[in-house]
Amino acid sequence: GAVVSQHPSWVICKSGTSVKIECRSLDFQATTMFWYRQFPKQSLMLMATSNEGSKATYEQGVEKDKFLINHASLTLSTLTVTSAHPEDSSFYICSAGRREQYFGPGTRLTVT
Amino acid sequence: QQQVKQSPQSLIVQKGGIPIINCAYENTAFDYFPWYQQFPGKGPALLIAIRPDVSEKKEGRFTISFNKSAKQFSLHIMDSQPGDSATYFCAASIQGGSEKLVFGKGTKLTVNP
Repeated sequence: GAVVSQHPSWVICKSGTSVKIECRSLDFQATTMFWYRQFPKQSLMLMATSNEGSKATYEQGVEKDKFLINHASLTLSTLTVTSAHPEDSSFYICSAGRREQYFGPGTRLTVT
Repeated sequence: QQQVKQSPQSLIVQKGGIPIINCAYENTAFDYFPWYQQFPGKGPALLIAIRPDVSEKKEGRFTISFNKSAKQFSLHIMDSQPGDSATYFCAASIQGGSEKLVFGKGTKLTVNP
């Protein structure tokens, strides 16, 4: 299957700072990528659809000004958590592909 | 209409057993049904997927059974091994649509030695 990478795999930041998470499709081009958030022992919650060359589409209830998404190329999408707070601590996962979605390894964000 | 209901929430079997995880959906527009396996601290990995024009698909020890009229599909794991212990998610999406996956709530499978 296709390979999707994420960087960093884990990050600790202080409350009020911003954190950027990268999602890359390594062996295919992805016009669409998806960003998810997952709380412990829960399912994946779709946050937004990242579209190459255009604005992201956010799910209801997701603050677009807090979770900035940029899909500047066919292999890279970034999620920036702005002014992070402890409640933003979570496991963030991206996916890419068309019918077959391939997931990255995830990024563990801890906000202190 | 967008929900995918998954059961059971957790499942414990002995090595060699055949755990079965069930999912049900309401939206008849769904036409792609994948299963994902997730280990703690890792991203989900695509296991196997099915489209509604077939009733069964096998890949190795994993089998999906699909019942279009009942709007249900299930995952069977043959000859389960302790290494299969993970959380399994079913999902559904619509071809030609946003391609967004709608996930079930997951099943934590434990395979005892």
